[in-house]
Amino acid sequence: DAKTTQPPSMDCAEGRAANLPCNHSTISGNEYVYWYRQIHSQGPQYIIHGLKNNETNEMASLIITEDRKSSTLILPHATLRDTAVYYCPSLNAGGTSYGKLTFGQGTILTVHP
Amino acid sequence: NAGVTQTPKFQVLKTGQSMTLQCAQDMNHNSMYWYRQDPGMGLRLIYYSASEGTTDKGEVPNGYNVSRLNKREFSLRLESAAPSQTSVYFCASSLGRGNSGNTIYFGEGSWLTVV
Repeated sequence: DAKTTQPPSMDCAEGRAANLPCNHSTISGNEYVYWYRQIHSQGPQYIIHGLKNNETNEMASLIITEDRKSSTLILPHATLRDTAVYYCPSLNAGGTSYGKLTFGQGTILTVHP
Repeated sequence: NAGVTQTPKFQVLKTGQSMTLQCAQDMNHNSMYWYRQDPGMGLRLIYYSASEGTTDKGEVPNGYNVSRLNKREFSLRLESAAPSQTSVYFCASSLGRGNSGNTIYFGEGSWLTVV
């Protein structure tokens, strides 16, 4: 399973874009990059995922580098409610561990007024 | 649409007692999972069920048993609870095996304290 690393914390001003980086230098070709967030110890909330191409949905955008060794989650207009711990787990594909998300320590994003 | 529902939400057990955490999903998903989350440890997979009728060990299976009762339900049992099992437990589900990019959805968690 690929190990992902993230900065432990980041700050962002309300209304500005939040760019959260994730390093996954050991990711294999069939592993997807996922982003989840967790607010106040609630269940992890799915945000977005991708394999090779950049992705966008109603919550965020995901930029994956061409070599797939890193990615960036972009929250285009951060609000106070986006304050949470953000995780970029990799998803092991195939073998006997399929479906297993490998979570790291995550990034605590604090959005301030 | 309830998604993934876990019960109970909070539970206090004495060492040696047994209990079962219940999980049900209403999304017609094939795969279900149990994770635990401890401070500073992130989420760790305990057991998973790729499809109805199958279960497999995850990263930290010791002290737990699971039952995939039917397609909707996946329970986690602690036969003899230990203080080291004090944790927050999350059930999750996904449409397929997850290896084709199927999203995994989590329940709201069950807080278990073993004294």
